[in-house]
Amino acid sequence: DGGITQSPKYLFRKEGQNVTLSCEQNLNHDAMYWYRQDPGQGLRLIYYSQIVNDFQKGDIAEGYSVSREKKESFPLTVTSAQKNPTAFYLCASSGGTGAWNTEAFFGQGTRLTVV
Amino acid sequence: ILNVEQSPQSLHVQEGDSTNFTCSFPSSNFYALHWYRWETAKSPEALFVMTLNGDEKKKGRISATLNTKEGYSYLYIKGSQPEDSATYLCAFAPSREYGNKLVFGAGTILRVKS
Repeated sequence: DGGITQSPKYLFRKEGQNVTLSCEQNLNHDAMYWYRQDPGQGLRLIYYSQIVNDFQKGDIAEGYSVSREKKESFPLTVTSAQKNPTAFYLCASSGGTGAWNTEAFFGQGTRLTVV
Repeated sequence: ILNVEQSPQSLHVQEGDSTNFTCSFPSSNFYALHWYRWETAKSPEALFVMTLNGDEKKKGRISATLNTKEGYSYLYIKGSQPEDSATYLCAFAPSREYGNKLVFGAGTILRVKS
């Protein structure tokens, strides 16, 4: 089935560690996004990518990094520079360049906790 | 930063009540407005994508309207049912020069009591 898969579902990180969240899609979408949700808040954009080998910072990119080496994959690394990484992370994809009037499809999310 | 505001933050209604929510977005540099429903333990799912001023879309008991000149969209639910309980998100897609991205509001949490 076509869809977007995030892993892991739950992730625990020690202080000072980098961790990478996986996001894979088989929808042949050009655009992919990473959002973060904190309690009582909406989805805030971390990074987005319109095409392979290209990505842009969103509103809260500090302390995060991404790569887009393949169309299907858009991993997010939460670095030790991110001061408050505990949150729920959602990955999404959509039709692509010039087609962001089409709906976005979301993964199931990863809940990251710093221990 | 492009701001998208949703109101109310939460809403509790009785089964059978009709309800509506508001999404406010920048009226300039508009490209598209999306509505999503996010049920607990599931992924957000698209309800509507609207691009034209005056657009009205309907899916069953749920409908939405769009006013791009004044920068708002309404989502209506007629005869609310317990299964309508969810968080309703709107997302604004700005015009091309602002990049291919979706900016989400904080959402409206709807709880329907039977």
